Amino acid sequence: DADVTQTPRNRITKTGKRIMLECSQTKGHDRMYWYRQDPGLGLRLIYYSFDVKDINKGEISDGYSVSRQAQAKFSLSLESAIPNQTALYFCATSRGSNTEAFFGQGTRLTVV
Amino acid sequence: GNSVTQMEGPVTLSEEAFLTINCTYTATGYPSLFWYVQYPGEGLQLLLKATKADDKGSNKGFEATYRKETTSFHLEKGSVQVSDSAVYFCALSGGSNYKLTFGKGTLLTVNP
Repeated sequence: DADVTQTPRNRITKTGKRIMLECSQTKGHDRMYWYRQDPGLGLRLIYYSFDVKDINKGEISDGYSVSRQAQAKFSLSLESAIPNQTALYFCATSRGSNTEAFFGQGTRLTVV
Repeated sequence: GNSVTQMEGPVTLSEEAFLTINCTYTATGYPSLFWYVQYPGEGLQLLLKATKADDKGSNKGFEATYRKETTSFHLEKGSVQVSDSAVYFCALSGGSNYKLTFGKGTLLTVNP
């Protein structure tokens, strides 16, 4: 089984709908992250969490919210999806600063 | 803030050719440097890392040396294979406030 699991893997949704992307990890890491990948733009950080009670905005948090339900679970919500949120979304975890991150396999989201 | 600039692609090589993908960074303090690889349809996985100046990271025939004087971490491989075809991301992580900052990625295609 994967150490970092994202669900769903693919999703098509309509403009204005609320959608949640889920991430769970078995690494035992405190730190979890949500990134968005767009062609030519690399990965951009949406939100990150250092522990269950610590949530921080990344560089592109507008239009997104997150919930850290437990050490192992970190979900990303789009309250009212719009087409320019069509992208590949990655969850990642790490043990601490200056250490490597472990990524899930990604969720391909299409907003029509 | 921190930033990573890497060579724009796409890069197309023949099998057994020499590969260099340039990466330079801007950061305060002493960041850790990483190369991640993304194979088609998959998430990112760590290829190699270096945590201090003059360290050389290596894995699967790939190498990169942490050069503080030139703020660079160029990826090299002496003889590429078709199976190396992927997107390569340079990244850094540093400071007490973790933020893994990525370059925009370089698509490598290796032809037989």
